[in-house]
Amino acid sequence: ETGVTQSPTHLIKTRGQQVTLRCSSQSGHNTVSWYQQALGQGPQFIFQYYREEENGRGNFPPRFSGLQFPNYSSELNVNALELDDSALYLCASSLGVSGGETQYFGPGTRLLVL
Amino acid sequence: RKEVEQDPGPFNVPEGATVAFNCTYSNSASQSFFWYRQDCRKEPKLLMSVYSSGNEDGRFTAQLNRASQYISLLIRDSKLSDSATYLCVVNMPISSGSARQLTFGSGTQLTVLP
Repeated sequence: ETGVTQSPTHLIKTRGQQVTLRCSSQSGHNTVSWYQQALGQGPQFIFQYYREEENGRGNFPPRFSGLQFPNYSSELNVNALELDDSALYLCASSLGVSGGETQYFGPGTRLLVL
Repeated sequence: RKEVEQDPGPFNVPEGATVAFNCTYSNSASQSFFWYRQDCRKEPKLLMSVYSSGNEDGRFTAQLNRASQYISLLIRDSKLSDSATYLCVVNMPISSGSARQLTFGSGTQLTVLP
């Protein structure tokens, strides 16, 4: 196992609601990246947090926001949920941001928006 | 054009067969390259990094051609347990911030048949 945990494992919400997903990084890792994986697609980069600051963002609207805490755990918040937000949300932890580090993925949170 | 493109498959091969996956990427500033494996309803797991000199790990061989922006994965003597989706992954600069992001292909599905 990677040592990266995510909660909850599954979640059902309705359109317009808000959701918070949580990720605990592997011990010693200071970087957390979040990804959205729709059915039949590869994961899409949402954003990355490094030492509690957002360090880069993919092509996702502002209603996707995040936080990283002093212990390097992280949250992903999605406001005004849309049906297309239904997906597997993955977080990955790594040590540093130079680009060559291995990212270790958590098991993901499956979100269904009705 | 997608930033990372790979043949979606599916590839259905008998046990013992050799199978090759190909992948191309669009950003010449990409620095690191990987193959990840994803089992059904699970998180992606790193299979191997890919280097210009080519690298081998048991039955798996990965190659990188920077000039052609092309990555390959060869699996020899396929096992039933190799059945999974194989994701081509490239670490490339993010347009915002100083970070680099993992950009995934859509994945190639492999089924090894008895």
